[in-house]
Amino acid sequence: SQTIHQWPATLVQPVGSPLSLECTVEGTSNPNLYWYRQAAGRGLQLLFYSVGIGQISSEVPQNLSASRPQDRQFILSSKKLLLSDSGFYLCACYGSYEQYFGPGTRLTVT
Amino acid sequence: GESVGLHLPTLSVQEGDNSIINCAYSNSASDYFIWYKQESGKGPQFIIDIRSNMDKRQGQRVTVLLNKTVKHLSLQIAATQPGDSAVYFCAEPQGGAQKLVFGQGTRLTINP
Repeated sequence: SQTIHQWPATLVQPVGSPLSLECTVEGTSNPNLYWYRQAAGRGLQLLFYSVGIGQISSEVPQNLSASRPQDRQFILSSKKLLLSDSGFYLCACYGSYEQYFGPGTRLTVT
Repeated sequence: GESVGLHLPTLSVQEGDNSIINCAYSNSASDYFIWYKQESGKGPQFIIDIRSNMDKRQGQRVTVLLNKTVKHLSLQIAATQPGDSAVYFCAEPQGGAQKLVFGQGTRLTINP
């Protein structure tokens, strides 16, 4: 079964600073990968998904970007963080018949 | 766009009672639904799924019911335990690439 690693687990960054969140997947090859954001007390919003290396689709206009440099690596980035970028970021991978989620990164922009 | 939604944002039940969490959907062509459980500070975890050719599916202490006539599904948790405290989401695939659309979630609180 798939295992998803995310780091860091928590992050506090000032407004205007850059961001790089990393997600790696074990136990599968050529998976579909996803980045979600979850605001406090809210549901999950899909930000990006990727069906292969170098293939990124954006679901919502935003201050963030994503990249997939390797088959099982998915990176979420920003050049300049906004206060509204605060939230819980979840990486997910599509397995045999369901999406598996990583442990998440809690980002606080101050 | 069409999406899934939840009737109630919070639900409190007594330990040992049964819990029922509801979800409505708007797309009559939807044919697959998934329930996820998210504990505080963790990623969502798959609980159970159901396809539209079924009305009911049972797992360990959980049952999902699907009423296609009124576009409603529910998650029933039997003999609720403290470990069931979490936010529960219904979700459905939408738009290809196995993307999921999630409802807003219901926070289940267990009273001792």
